[in-house]
Amino acid sequence: QQPVQSPQAVILREGEDAVINCSSSKALYSVHWYRQKHGEAPVFLMILLKGGEQKGHEKISASFNEKKQQSSLYLTASQLSYSGTYFCGTSEGTYKYIFGTGTRLKVLA
Amino acid sequence: DAMVIQNPRYQVTQFGKPVTLSCSQTLNHNVMYWYQQKSSQAPKLLFHYYDKDFNNEADTPDNFQSRRPNTSFCFLDIRSPGLGDAAMYLCATSRPSLGNTEAFFGQGTRLTVV
Repeated sequence: QQPVQSPQAVILREGEDAVINCSSSKALYSVHWYRQKHGEAPVFLMILLKGGEQKGHEKISASFNEKKQQSSLYLTASQLSYSGTYFCGTSEGTYKYIFGTGTRLKVLA
Repeated sequence: DAMVIQNPRYQVTQFGKPVTLSCSQTLNHNVMYWYQQKSSQAPKLLFHYYDKDFNNEADTPDNFQSRRPNTSFCFLDIRSPGLGDAAMYLCATSRPSLGNTEAFFGQGTRLTVV
C-alpha cells in the first residue's frame, strides 16, 4: 500500500512556506523526496535514512520520524521554480520501490 | 556520465499494435523497475527485476510483459495497447544497500495510442 501524502495540492505566493507530509501504514527505513515537473521524470531532492533525521538543501529541508512512520518536506520562502508535483518514495520489502500519492504545488508570482 | 536512458522519448502506436519500450543503464545496478504514470497520478510500479529474477505486481495487466536480457537493458512490451495504456512509462534502477533503495530514473517514454 502506497504512502499517503497531504495535502493533495497547495497554491502559494512567492516567498510563502509550505509543508508536505508523507505517512506510511508500514515501517519506513528510508524516505526519498522527488520533485516532478510536467512531462518530465522525477528529480531526486534528498534522502533520509534514520528516524528523527533532518536534512536540508538550500531552502528545502525534510524530517523523518521513524516511530510515527512519517516524513515531512519543508519548503521555505518558495520560488516559482518550486512548482511541480512532489513525491515521497520508499522501499517496500528488500527491492521493491514505491511512491507516495503525490502533492501538487503551484507557486504564483 | 553514468545514467539511465529510455528510448524513444515519445512513441505513438496504433490501437492493438504491439509496441516495445527500451531502457538501458550504465550504472551497473542490479535492480531495474518499470513504472506507468498517468496524468496527475503517482508512478505505479508494473514490474521489477533483481538481476534476472522477475517480480510482477499483482495488478499489472497480462497485456504488459518485460524482458531483461542482461544487466544493462530492460524492455517493456505491450502486446495489444488500448487507449487506456496511454501514459508516461518510467524506467528506474537501484542498487539496494544498508536498507536504502534510492531509484535513479530515465527521462521516460510518453506513449500515445491512436
